[in-house]
Amino acid sequence: SQTIHQWPATLVQPVGSPLSLECTVEGTSNPNLYWYRQAAGRGLQLLFYSVGIGQISSEVPQNLSASRPQDRQFILSSKKLLLSDSGFYLCAWASRYEAFFGQGTRLTVV
Amino acid sequence: GQSLEQPSEVTAVEGAIVQINCTYQTSGFYGLSWYQQHDGGAPTFLSYNGLDGLEETGRFSSFLSRSDSYGYLLLQELQMKDSASYFCAVHDKIIFGKGTRLHILP
Repeated sequence: SQTIHQWPATLVQPVGSPLSLECTVEGTSNPNLYWYRQAAGRGLQLLFYSVGIGQISSEVPQNLSASRPQDRQFILSSKKLLLSDSGFYLCAWASRYEAFFGQGTRLTVV
Repeated sequence: GQSLEQPSEVTAVEGAIVQINCTYQTSGFYGLSWYQQHDGGAPTFLSYNGLDGLEETGRFSSFLSRSDSYGYLLLQELQMKDSASYFCAVHDKIIFGKGTRLHILP
């Protein structure tokens, strides 16, 4: 069966520091991969999605970037974090019909 | 662009039935799905409608009308554990609504 791993679960970072969140998928090949961000009590904002290695679509202009160096690896990065980057970050892979989420990373920028 | 509208909050009584509506505007529509999210957790998939009509999965059902750009999630025999946020989402590129917070009263 397919599983998705995302880490770390929580992260506290100072303003101006870099960020790297990693997500890996097992049990499927060439998955469509997504990064979402969720502010407290809010909806899921699509940040990036990828249909294949090196293919990244950015949905919202922001202080973040994404990369897909391997088929089942998706990385979310920032060179310098802002306070507004705080939130719950969720990685997902999707079939045609449903999305499967990782456990999420709760990022607090201080 | 794409937009989805769903009520921000709904309150119902334990054992009752509740319907959460979702209207959408999108290009390249392939289907509508529903997710449940408990506080502090990740969303989990509930159902998907690719064609018009009703899909039933246990206590949960979902409906789609493509001509009306409208769908709903129906929850029956409500239990306290159903207290959560519910999101509709449109495919192909999966875009989520802002979510409906379901409060269940004993």
